[in-house]
Amino acid sequence: GAVVSQHPSWVICKSGTSVKIECRSLDFQATTMFWYRQFPKQSLMLMATSNEGSKATYEQGVEKDKFLINHASLTLSTLTVTSAHPEDSSFYICSARTLEQANYGYTFGSGTRLTVV
Amino acid sequence: AQKVTQAQTEISVVEKEDVTLDCVYETRDTTYYLFWYKQPPSGELVFLIRRNSFDEQNEISGRYSWNFQKSTSSFNFTITASQVVDSAVYFCALSPFSGGYNKLIFGAGTRLAVHP
Repeated sequence: GAVVSQHPSWVICKSGTSVKIECRSLDFQATTMFWYRQFPKQSLMLMATSNEGSKATYEQGVEKDKFLINHASLTLSTLTVTSAHPEDSSFYICSARTLEQANYGYTFGSGTRLTVV
Repeated sequence: AQKVTQAQTEISVVEKEDVTLDCVYETRDTTYYLFWYKQPPSGELVFLIRRNSFDEQNEISGRYSWNFQKSTSSFNFTITASQVVDSAVYFCALSPFSGGYNKLIFGAGTRLAVHP
């Protein structure tokens, strides 16, 4: 079945630094990738949708300059949290979908737990 | 408005009990998909089921069953003879056609604790 690899699974960084999270579709081409954020004991909130080769579409309230998304290839999307602050600490999870999968749902990565100290 | 409501925040049961997790959704779309995902403590999301709006047949998969009632906009999930390994957070989600199926709208989740 479709597999999405997300890396790293956890990261601790200092306040003010930037962190890059990678999301790779291993055995399929992901025309669309999604980035979610989940605070402890809360639901998943969609941050942005990215289509390969296009600029990401951000949800209302998500700072595009802070959360940089790049979807340069059909198998890789990256989320960079720039100038991270403690309030950015959260669980970030990506999801990928292909046109063929349009009727089949979404494949999720295993998530990245970001802690900013 | 597009919305998913999981009114039960936490449920605690003893092993072998049956448990039903409720999900009520709102959408103006007549075409949409509904999903259930399981999130164990490790964090990954495990796909359980997808149902499209035109298929109201209930489904059973082992100890899991789903009841889709379009008339009440509900898509409830029942675990029969629960086991400790079922302990997790369960999310119901909606993917409406008007979003090009590009949006998964999640409920708040129900945390299920199954005790031995």
